[in-house]
Amino acid sequence: GAGVSQSPSNKVTEKGKDVELRCDPISGHTALYWYRQSLGQGLEFLIYFQGNSAPDKSGLPSDRFSAERTGGSVSTLTIQRTQQEDSAVYLCASSFRLAGGGGDTGELFFGEGSRLTVL
Amino acid sequence: AQSVAQPEDQVNVAEGNPLTVKCTYSVSGNPYLFWYVQYPNRGLQFLLKYITGDNLVKGSYGFEAEFNKSQTSFHLKKPSALVSDSALYFCAVRDPPGRGSYIPTFGRGTSLIVHP
Repeated sequence: GAGVSQSPSNKVTEKGKDVELRCDPISGHTALYWYRQSLGQGLEFLIYFQGNSAPDKSGLPSDRFSAERTGGSVSTLTIQRTQQEDSAVYLCASSFRLAGGGGDTGELFFGEGSRLTVL
Repeated sequence: AQSVAQPEDQVNVAEGNPLTVKCTYSVSGNPYLFWYVQYPNRGLQFLLKYITGDNLVKGSYGFEAEFNKSQTSFHLKKPSALVSDSALYFCAVRDPPGRGSYIPTFGRGTSLIVHP
């Protein structure tokens, strides 16, 4: 598709279960970001992938959170043993940038998010 | 470390009146600055950015923003508000290439409500 695609759009799960959220970035975009949006909290950075470089995981809130990006395209965010405080909208974004920083226009293109509710 | 502040949780304005949504930032060096808009149950949509050059930048839907280096501000403006402008607005800041992280930091967001 033309834009960033995220699935599922809504996920309701029980406390303690694992969930996987998927992001399909814009074709050709080398950079991929995950953010979390909680009510009244703005956007919280989680993880950043750029090409084949090691991801920047500095925003992951605990070791229950992990993410991978296969083949430099699709990314999956996994939350293990979900807690009620994990309830939020998880946003994925992509942008284009060459390995040396060239082609960097700065703006991110966001998907519509995956709303996670942990009961 | 970079940071951005949006001092108003909510801005109310009457349709047809000018609007301003405030943003101040803190970053070392020359910043990349952005505004995004989020409509209900949607992702964020890019509005405009400042990277270099003219301090007044124009973006989508008639919005503009002015970069003020001395005041470290990047306020979003529109001369005449529309009801359809009602949404959540986010300011974001990022280091320039080669000076730090490529990860933008976002403000908490400002809810703009335009009354008919």
